[in-house]
Amino acid sequence: DQQVKQNSPSLSVQEGRISILNCDYTNSMFDYFLWYKKYPAEGPTFLISISSIKDKNEDGRFTVFLNKSAKHLSLHIVPSQPGDSAVYFCAASAQGAQKLVFGQGTRLTINP
Amino acid sequence: EPEVTQTPSHQVTQMGQEVILRCVPISNHLYFYWYRQILGQKVEFLVSFYNNEISEKSEIFDDQFSVERPDGSNFTLKIRSTKLEDSAMYFCASTGTSGLSYEQYFGPGTRLTVT
Repeated sequence: DQQVKQNSPSLSVQEGRISILNCDYTNSMFDYFLWYKKYPAEGPTFLISISSIKDKNEDGRFTVFLNKSAKHLSLHIVPSQPGDSAVYFCAASAQGAQKLVFGQGTRLTINP
Repeated sequence: EPEVTQTPSHQVTQMGQEVILRCVPISNHLYFYWYRQILGQKVEFLVSFYNNEISEKSEIFDDQFSVERPDGSNFTLKIRSTKLEDSAMYFCASTGTSGLSYEQYFGPGTRLTVT
């Protein structure tokens, strides 16, 4: 089941720079997209989301961009901070369905 | 800030034994979920629960699995006869105070080890 894909297993960024995490999806029924952050030994923590009727949503240092024609979304973190080091999961939900479909995750490391 | 809690944090059991994983969702939430993550793999949906019944389940959620909300606060996942391949992190999640909301809030997980 590869409906949601995060092709970069890891990403390393210098503190203060921009981190860009990418996610692709194949199911055109998905209409809501979410990003979760996960630290070791903890559950996923909701970060930011976007509806398919929008192409951008911003919350502080975090911005999610959605390109429906390309079936692609990205999470921008600027400026990146050491506390942002974690695994980031992209997730999607289809109309009327309650389940979230997750990507494989990208491990983000912020270097001082 | 309200949070989802799960117990135990780690459960070790022998193959063929029954286990019950417990969750206390956020108190005014109406929709409840179980997910699992096998080591090195994706987080996978198991089941959703609303109004005291299963509303959606995955193909993983076979007859060996059951869920229950025995009282107003707990939400449990039972595995009747555990297999080695059931070893995983199990996450409970909840959402929705007055209607379905897409943002699900996850607990810290229970690590299940089947030997």
